[in-house]
Amino acid sequence: GENVEQHPSTLSVQEGDSAVIKCTYSDSASNYFPWYKQELGKRPQLIIDIRSNVGEKKDQRIAVTLNKTAKHFSLHITETQPEDSAVYFCAASITGGFKTIFGAGTRLFVKA
Amino acid sequence: DVKVTQSSRYLVKRTGEKVFLECVQDMDHENMFWYRQDPGLGLRLIYFSYDVKMKEKGDIPEGYSVSREKKERFSLILESASTNQTSMYLCASSLGTSGTGELFFGEGSRLTVL
Repeated sequence: GENVEQHPSTLSVQEGDSAVIKCTYSDSASNYFPWYKQELGKRPQLIIDIRSNVGEKKDQRIAVTLNKTAKHFSLHITETQPEDSAVYFCAASITGGFKTIFGAGTRLFVKA
Repeated sequence: DVKVTQSSRYLVKRTGEKVFLECVQDMDHENMFWYRQDPGLGLRLIYFSYDVKMKEKGDIPEGYSVSREKKERFSLILESASTNQTSMYLCASSLGTSGTGELFFGEGSRLTVL
C-alpha cells in the first residue's frame, strides 16, 4: 500500500524566513496531495492541495510543488509569521481509493 | 461551514471496557473516516465508510469496529479497550464519490485506557 514519508520532523525558523517541508510517496498511482495544518489543540485543516496534472500551486505565502517522476512533493512557506507555528501533515491519495495516507508530521516553530 | 462533531473530547476507560466514540457531520457528506493520531506516526486510518451501512477497513482496523446506520453518524467501537489504544481519535468527513478531496475533521477525542 501507499507510504508517505515526511521530513523534517521538527523545523525552527526565524520570523520572516522561509520554511520547506518535503514528502515522498511510494504509490505512483497517487494523484491527489493535500497539506493539512494543525494548530495546538485544534483540528487539522486543509491549507493547500495539488493534483498530479499540476506541477506547482500557490496561495499567497504558501506554495506546493510536485515532482511525479521522483514521487516527491514539498510545501514552501515564505515570510513566516508566528501564527504559522503548527504541525503540518502531507498526505497522498488515489481518486476512487478513499484512503488518504498521511505523513508523520512536521512541527514548525517560528521564532519572533 | 462544515461541522464535524465528536461527542466526547476526553474519555478515561479501564482495560476491557467497551468504548463508543460518536461522530456526527451536518453537511450531507457521503464519506466518513476514523483516524488515530499518535506523536511521530501521523494520522493512521482505522476504518472508513462511503455510504450508509457500508464500511471498509483502513490500515489499522484490529481491535476496532464501526457502525454507520445513518448518513450523518459514524461510530467507532472498541469492543475491549486495551492500554495500547490510548490515543487521540479523529473523525473526518468528505464530499463526493471520487474518494479524494478535502477532509473535514472533528476536534478529536482523547482516550486514555488505564
